[in-house]
This record gives sequence, structure tokens and C-alpha cells, in this order.
Amino acid sequence: EAGVVQSPRYKIIEKKQPVAFWCNPISGHNTLYWYRQNLGQGPELLIRYENEEAVDDSQLPKDRFSAERLKGVDSTLKIQPAELGDSAVYLCASSLDGQGRFFGPGTRLTVL
Amino acid sequence: DAKTTQPTSMDCAEGRAANLPCNHSTISGNEYVYWYRQIHSQGPQYIIHGLKNNETNEMASLIITEDRKSSTLILPHATLRDTAVYYCIVSGSNDYKLSFGAGTTVTVRA
Repeated sequence: EAGVVQSPRYKIIEKKQPVAFWCNPISGHNTLYWYRQNLGQGPELLIRYENEEAVDDSQLPKDRFSAERLKGVDSTLKIQPAELGDSAVYLCASSLDGQGRFFGPGTRLTVL
Repeated sequence: DAKTTQPTSMDCAEGRAANLPCNHSTISGNEYVYWYRQIHSQGPQYIIHGLKNNETNEMASLIITEDRKSSTLILPHATLRDTAVYYCIVSGSNDYKLSFGAGTTVTVRA
């Protein structure tokens, strides 16, 4: 069974450019999470989806970050425009009814 | 959610048991203790969780004190591949609000 798939694995952009990350969760998992992980720290939740509904986006910086999960399956996280401080690893995770948490390998973003 | 306190780092010898402590003195009665680990360049991986009874699976054992204010994750026979950051997290039963701290960096040495 395939795990959580994320792409790209690495992305380097200049500040003020837009960037998007894609996540395909484990088949059948209704809950999808996006996390940001800064160097040397644990992951921090950005947004949680239940099917296609964002049920917790309190930590998402809404001025420049957006996310969508249109059909309740895969999801996209976007940053526009990117800032130097956005350099981090962006992790996607999924679970079934909140039980367990399966993480993807992450996308390492470097903003120059 | 209750906060946890873990040592910043620890070393252990390959083939020996690794005992990872975690303090969670403000844990409430319905909160579980979860352990995850993160190997370099990978996403976190679930290890085990428990409420008040000790738990064991193929990866590790979890020992929770009777007052539930602390716990220990035991890796029975550490291998080099167990080198990772280990996170102890306290959260509700459906773990929606998992909040990761800095964790313990465990280095297994040959």
C-alpha cells in the first residue's frame, strides 16, 4: 500500500515568488494535515481537513498561505508571495477518523 | 493539551535497550501519551501510544507511571537505524491536536 505522497521533494525559489506543494494521502483517509517544520524544531500544524472541509486553519498565515482539498482526496498548499522566513520542510499527513497519523516525506523549501 | 519535557539528546549502544524518558506532570485523565520518531529527511513515524496501562508492540514498549505524570519509551534492542528524533506528545484520544515539541535526539552508536 502506498504511503502519503508529496511533491516536489525539494524546491528552491526567490523571495516574492509563488510556490505550491501537492499531497496525495493514503487511500480512504478522510483527515489530511499540513505541517511546517523549521530547522531543529518539531512540526507545527498549519491546517487540518476533514474530507474537503478545512476544520482547523487557525495556524495558517492567511495573508500569504492558502490550501485546498477540492474533492476530499489530494490537497495543495500554496504560498504567495514567499518570504525568506518560509524556508522550512512542509509535511503532509493523513489519518482515518483521527486515528493514527501517517506522514509523507515532506517538501524542503528554500527561499533565497 | 498537556506539555511534555524530554531530554534534548541521548546516546545509546547498539544492541542495548534504549530508555527514553518523558515528563508530563499536567496530563489530564482523558489524555493519551503518544510517541513518534523522525528519522533524518523523513516525516514523523508513529511508534506507540497509551492511556494508563503499559503497552508493547513490535517497535517498542511504553511504560506509564501509576500517577501518569511520566513515561518511558523502551527500544529493546537499539540498532543504528533507530537513530532519530523521538517525540513524546500528550493529546486526546483522537489525536487531532497532536503538538510536537523539540523531542529527544537519540544517537545509536556501534
